Amino acid sequence: EVKLVESGGGLVKPGGSLRLSCAASGFTFNTAWMSWVRQAPGKGLEWVGRIKGKIDGGTADYPAPVRGRFTISRDDSKNTLYLQMNSLKTEDTAVYYCVRESDLIDSWGQGTLVTVSS
Amino acid sequence: QSVLTQPPSASGTPGQRVTISCSGSRSNIGINSVNWYQQLPGTAPKLFIYHNNQRPSGVPDRFSGSKSGTSASLAISGLQSEDEADYHCLTWDDSLHGYVFGTGTRVTVL
Repeated sequence: EVKLVESGGGLVKPGGSLRLSCAASGFTFNTAWMSWVRQAPGKGLEWVGRIKGKIDGGTADYPAPVRGRFTISRDDSKNTLYLQMNSLKTEDTAVYYCVRESDLIDSWGQGTLVTVSS
Repeated sequence: QSVLTQPPSASGTPGQRVTISCSGSRSNIGINSVNWYQQLPGTAPKLFIYHNNQRPSGVPDRFSGSKSGTSASLAISGLQSEDEADYHCLTWDDSLHGYVFGTGTRVTVL
């Protein structure tokens, strides 16, 4: 069974930084493409980036709203995915989900809440 | 901000058929397959339809998906109270080089 458990969310001031983690189990993590998706309170879903498996180059892609501020990385030895968020803005307030791509986005974690407020 | 447009709400009485649309463009739905996710209140989304019209195991066959041109649809026939949820469409956008979600539709069972 695929299991994704996010952690690291919390309250941070505008301009601050936060790193989220996602512990993965139940599948071969080192070849999996992984993404982060967020959902602002009462809003829809928004993709915030993905990282390919090392065998496919291990590169990451980001949408314009977070490019240059967010960085996705992975530690395959720990089956863990990370999201480093810098220069946070109030509009980054959201539940952040770790998701697995297996040809398509098929599995989601339970999410972790990030609140950016002074 | 969402590239894909969905109606904000849809409703029906038990047993009715409800259809949700997802409108995009040539760079996303026009050339890539669409997935649909059900999100119950307070929970993470769950894959309900993939590759336009395929159902994962465990999803009732009263849920069906279709795609035509730059639009996709999710249909729920024989609506039940447990179908009350938010539904989101998702596809890849070749111009943006990223995933794009729909604006989301809340289904209410009257």
